[in-house]
Amino acid sequence: AQSVTQLDSHVSVSEGTPVLLRCNYSSSYSPSLFWYVQHPNKGLQLLLKYTSAATLVKGINGFEAEFKKSETSFHLTKPSAHMSDAAEYFCVSNFGNEKLTFGTGTRLTIIP
Amino acid sequence: DGGITQSPKYLFRKEGQNVTLSCEQNLNHDAMYWYRQDPGQGLRLIYYSQIVNDFQKGDIAEGYSVSREKKESFPLTVTSAQKNPTAFYLCASGRGWETQYFGPGTRLLVL
Repeated sequence: AQSVTQLDSHVSVSEGTPVLLRCNYSSSYSPSLFWYVQHPNKGLQLLLKYTSAATLVKGINGFEAEFKKSETSFHLTKPSAHMSDAAEYFCVSNFGNEKLTFGTGTRLTIIP
Repeated sequence: DGGITQSPKYLFRKEGQNVTLSCEQNLNHDAMYWYRQDPGQGLRLIYYSQIVNDFQKGDIAEGYSVSREKKESFPLTVTSAQKNPTAFYLCASGRGWETQYFGPGTRLLVL
């Protein structure tokens, strides 16, 4: 079965330090992959998406993600965390133009 | 100002009552979706519609109903048959299964 796994339910980093949110997918072929962010009691906002073009994808607010087929991973990174980055992050996949599959989310806490 | 609006922001349901959540979009998207979000879980698909006057069940459609009479609107009714309706409900729209744009959500609480 095709699936998306977010490896950490909660990540805490200090303001100004790098952010790494991990996501692995399970599929027999390359899916489309997305990262969405959700601030408390808000809808989801698209950060970035991978659709088989460049493997390094740049998104909004300084985030980027690298698609690694050999590792079946699509980790989200940011060089320097800001307080405004505190939110829930979802790794999402689309396998063969079917419904979206959501990871269970990673809550990012920023320590002042 | 294009986007997706959901109303109300908070909704309270009494025992045995049906309630309807509104979702409107002015993005000219053909497809619209309803998701349910529970704490610690990813989003789960309730219903989706890829064209006006047509809709399909998602993974957790029991206890819910929808209509799609206009391209811009996709209301969700939570019926009394849904025994555990407390959740955050998100509506989305898009040009298919790829990138979806989400509304701000409605939180449903049971009295």
